[in-house]
Amino acid sequence: AQSVTQLGSHVSVSEGALVLLRCNYSSSVPPYLFWYVQYPNQGLQLLLKYTTGATLVKGINGFEAEFKKSETSFHLTKPSAHMSDAAEYFCAVTDPSGGSYIPTFGRGTSLIVHP
Amino acid sequence: DAGVTQSPTHLIKTRGQQVTLRCSPKSGHDTVSWYQQALGQGPQFIFQYYEEEERQRGNFPDRFSGHQFPNYSSELNVNALLLGDSALYLCASSLGTSGANVLTFGAGSRLTVL
Repeated sequence: AQSVTQLGSHVSVSEGALVLLRCNYSSSVPPYLFWYVQYPNQGLQLLLKYTTGATLVKGINGFEAEFKKSETSFHLTKPSAHMSDAAEYFCAVTDPSGGSYIPTFGRGTSLIVHP
Repeated sequence: DAGVTQSPTHLIKTRGQQVTLRCSPKSGHDTVSWYQQALGQGPQFIFQYYEEEERQRGNFPDRFSGHQFPNYSSELNVNALLLGDSALYLCASSLGTSGANVLTFGAGSRLTVL
């Protein structure tokens, strides 16, 4: 069964600093990987996804993530944080071998950006 | 192009009551999934509807049931409400059931059970 671990329920950075949100997964085969963002009082929206091909994936708003099979990780980064990046971030994993095709979500990481 | 719309946005019920939540998927999408998001947690999968049938179900009791209509809209019903059912209920739509599909989420229905 697939599972997702997001290290750190809260991450605090200064505006302009590097953003690093961690995601590790367990899956029997290379999975499909997603990062979603949730702003207050809104639904989740996709930042980026990895299915096949290039392991460095670029998303919206300057975010990117790298699939590292050997580390079973899919960490989310952004070189320079903006105040508008403050939100809840969720990593999600789908194991294509399981027959379920339903993504499993992590518990989320709240990004706090200080001026 | 309207995204996923959910109603009501907020509601308060008492223990033992029943509730119905509604979802209209994004235009062009034919698959609807429902998630429960407790405070401080990630979304937990309840079930998925495709072609008016429940295709997959998460670890939720039979008190949780649903329906999909010919226009692809969907309802989530919860009977015999418990305090622990208090949560944000999210509807997500997609085109087809592939695990590689991106989900489009609504803003959710926040249920409070007293």
